[in-house]
Amino acid sequence: DAGVIQSPRHEVTEMGQEVTLRCKPISGHNSLFWYRQTMMRGLELLIYFNNNVPIDDSGMPEDRFSAKMPNASFSTLKIQPSEPRDSAVYFCASSGTEQYFGPGTRLTVT
Amino acid sequence: QQQVKQSPQSLIVQKGGISIINCAYENTAFDYFPWYQQFPGKGPALLIAIRPDVSEKKEGRFTISFNKSAKQFSLHIMDSQPGDSATYFCAASIRTGGFKTIFGAGTRLFVKA
Repeated sequence: DAGVIQSPRHEVTEMGQEVTLRCKPISGHNSLFWYRQTMMRGLELLIYFNNNVPIDDSGMPEDRFSAKMPNASFSTLKIQPSEPRDSAVYFCASSGTEQYFGPGTRLTVT
Repeated sequence: QQQVKQSPQSLIVQKGGISIINCAYENTAFDYFPWYQQFPGKGPALLIAIRPDVSEKKEGRFTISFNKSAKQFSLHIMDSQPGDSATYFCAASIRTGGFKTIFGAGTRLFVKA
């Protein structure tokens, strides 16, 4: 299996622009998670889905953030409009009996 | 109540020594406790995990000790090697309803050659 796939791996954008991060979970996994990692706040759970349904989005920082999972093999995390404080590494993870992480997307908002 | 507290924040160990990282949790609904290892520029990778009905689990040089009554668990790395230098995260999960996982703040381990 290819593991969890994330794209892009790096994203540099200007403040105010829309950013879309993409994730393909491991086939057969029924849960998908979005995390944000920064030096100051560590690894934060933003939102997770079970069977494509959002279960807990209490970690989403504000309305500028949204996530979708239209089918079992694809999810997006969108930030609109982006701000410099959104700069971080965003990880997608999926789980069946164990949770596996993707390589992350390093987002820089200037 | 959702927090997982991890210590120390950083750790320096001599090659061949024992590295010990401690974690504590509050929510008794957690029923699975994994440890993750993260190298710079990579995503966290599952290292070893334990269920609360087991007091110890060993895989190679890595051992988890679990104290259910104290709501504490720890990772021991025996014969620490420079290649073990990484950030280690403890976590606590609720396996039903989607495997929600809360992570500790992480411990940066440096093993001196």
